[in-house]
Amino acid sequence: GDSVTQMEGPVTLSEEAFLTINCTYTATGYPSLFWYVQYPGEGLQLLLKATKADDKGSNKGFEATYRKETTSFHLEKGSVQVSDSAVYFCAQRSQGGSEKLVFGKGTKLTVNP
Amino acid sequence: GAGVSQSPSNKVTEKGKDVELRCDPISGHTALYWYRQSLGQGLEFLIYFQGNSAPDKSGLPSDRFSAERTGGSVSTLTIQRTQQEDSAVYLCASSPDRASYEQYFGPGTRLTVT
Repeated sequence: GDSVTQMEGPVTLSEEAFLTINCTYTATGYPSLFWYVQYPGEGLQLLLKATKADDKGSNKGFEATYRKETTSFHLEKGSVQVSDSAVYFCAQRSQGGSEKLVFGKGTKLTVNP
Repeated sequence: GAGVSQSPSNKVTEKGKDVELRCDPISGHTALYWYRQSLGQGLEFLIYFQGNSAPDKSGLPSDRFSAERTGGSVSTLTIQRTQQEDSAVYLCASSPDRASYEQYFGPGTRLTVT
C-alpha cells in the first residue's frame, strides 16, 4: 500500500545551519505531497505542498521538490532559526478514491541558539 | 476566523469504559477527517466524511470505533470498551471540499486509558 518514509530524528542543529529532512514515498499513482509542521503545544499546520512531478513547494524559507524519478520530497532550509524547532511530517495524498493523508512518522527538529 | 475545535482537550478514562470525542470543523467545510497520533504508530487515518456521501471507514482499527457526523457539521468519534492501546492523541481535520488539498487540523484530544 501507499507509504511515506522519512528520516528518523531527533535532529539537533545550531542556528543558521542548513537543514535537510529526507522523505520518500511509495504509491501506485502520482500522489500530491505535503510537509506538515507541529510546533510545541500547537496543532498540525500545512507547511508546503507539491501536486505534480518537478513542482517545488516553498514557504517560510523551506523548500521541497517533487522528484518522481527518486520518489522523494526532501525538505530543505538554508538557515534555520530557533523558532523552526518543531516536529515535521511528510505526507502524501493519493489521486482518486479516499482523500486521506498518509504520513511519515515525523522528525523532531531542535535548533539551538 | 475560527479554526477546527475539539473537545475535550484531555480525557482520562478507565479501561472498559466508553468515550466520546467531539470535533467542530471550520464552518462551511464539507470534508472532515479523523486521525490518531500515537508514539508507536505515528499519524494514522481513521475515517473520512464528505458531504452526504457514505463515509470512508477503512482506517478504523476495530468495531469498537465508530463515528458520525450530524447535519454535515459536528462529528463525534466514539470508542467503546476502551483498551490501553487506544491511548493516543485523536486529531480532527476539515477541508473546504473534496478537491481541496489542504486539511486544517484541530488541536487534538489526548486520550489516556488507565
